[in-house]
Amino acid sequence: KAGVTQTPRYLIKTRGQQVTLSCSPISGHRSVSWYQQTPGQGLQFLFEYFSETQRNKGNFPGRFSGRQFSNSRSEMNVSTLELGDSALYLCASSLKGGSQPQHFGDGTRLSIL
Amino acid sequence: AQTVTQSQPEMSVQEAETVTLSCTYDTSESDYYLFWYKQPPSRQMILVIRQEAYKQQNATENRFSVNFQKAAKSFSLKISDSQLGDAAMYFCAYRSDMEYGNKLVFGAGTILRVKS
Repeated sequence: KAGVTQTPRYLIKTRGQQVTLSCSPISGHRSVSWYQQTPGQGLQFLFEYFSETQRNKGNFPGRFSGRQFSNSRSEMNVSTLELGDSALYLCASSLKGGSQPQHFGDGTRLSIL
Repeated sequence: AQTVTQSQPEMSVQEAETVTLSCTYDTSESDYYLFWYKQPPSRQMILVIRQEAYKQQNATENRFSVNFQKAAKSFSLKISDSQLGDAAMYFCAYRSDMEYGNKLVFGAGTILRVKS
């Protein structure tokens, strides 16, 4: 069974640009969550989508947005990039919730110049 | 809001020895789940072990076991017979069973080094 796939693996952008990251969950998984990982702030929850609806959101500015398609694939968009947005962005999928664990992808390393 | 604290930024263990990683959390909820994830240099977060708060029995997965003390809000991970492949960053994580959704709250992580 294929795991969680994130593309691209690396991305370099400049300040002010926007970026879209993609996440394909494990087949059958309907929940997709996004996390930002930085050395200073650690792992922080961005948002979660379930059946195309955002059902939970972390404490990030509105420049960070996402969506989920009918096939459960999810995209995350960051507009007006800032230097502080440089991070590893991790996507995780799960069947639903409860004790079901989240399975993570390899992440997208975003660097802002 | 829930918080997770890992007080050991870095730990070292000799191959074949046992090491314990500490984790404490703060919550006012009674129903929740706790997880330990491992992140090697390859970046992928790998689930090591999970514990449901309503279960008194400590979870065990092969060489990995936890000491779950609900009253003390403590959730430590014990790795027995440590192997070189255990070297990684280990994260403790909390998930509410009362909030809607799948949000994980992570600790800052503990780097585990395994010496041969």
